[in-house]
Amino acid sequence: EAGVAQSPRYKIIEKRQSVAFWCNPISGHATLYWYQQILGQGPKLLIQFQNNGVVDDSQLPKDRFSAERLKGVDSTLKIQPAKLEDSAVYLCASSLDIGEYQETQYFGPGTRLLVL
Amino acid sequence: ELKVEQNPLFLSMQEGKNYTIYCNYSTTSDRLYWYRQDPGKSLESLFVLLSNGAVKQEGRLMASLDTKARLSTLHITAAVHDLSATYFCAVDPSSSGAGSYQLTFGKGTKLSVIP
Repeated sequence: EAGVAQSPRYKIIEKRQSVAFWCNPISGHATLYWYQQILGQGPKLLIQFQNNGVVDDSQLPKDRFSAERLKGVDSTLKIQPAKLEDSAVYLCASSLDIGEYQETQYFGPGTRLLVL
Repeated sequence: ELKVEQNPLFLSMQEGKNYTIYCNYSTTSDRLYWYRQDPGKSLESLFVLLSNGAVKQEGRLMASLDTKARLSTLHITAAVHDLSATYFCAVDPSSSGAGSYQLTFGKGTKLSVIP
């Protein structure tokens, strides 16, 4: 079974530029998550989708970050404009569904973003 | 706001020794996850603990959950070099029924096993 795919793997941009990340979850997984992991810290949930609807985006800085999952499969996360403090690894994860399952989240390899 | 604290944050241990990593959290929850992260890699699921008293073991690792104490432990038995990695606990704030899956992670424990 293929895992969670992300691209690009690395990105270097200057502050105030825009950047977009792409994620393809495991086939059949209804729930998709974007996390931000700053060096030396644990991942922080930015947004959670169930199919193509947003379940939680309370920690997403909406003045500069946006995310969509239009057809309930792939997702993109965009930052516009980027700030120095956005330098981090952006992880995408997916899980089968939200519910009373003994289910974990499966993480992709991440996109390493450096903002100069 | 849910807070998740791990300790120690750094752990250097010799091969063959035993040690325990602790994960404390600040709100009622009966869903806790342990993940492993190797340098430059993504997170790998180790354990899912879904009830008070849950205990799971895989190889040299054993995880347990005490929801009344709001504490989970990850015990390492007879450590080997291959266990060197960063270990994260993550808590789902749901206390019953369906999980929210909106996980809050600890800062991680960086484990180095020295030959």
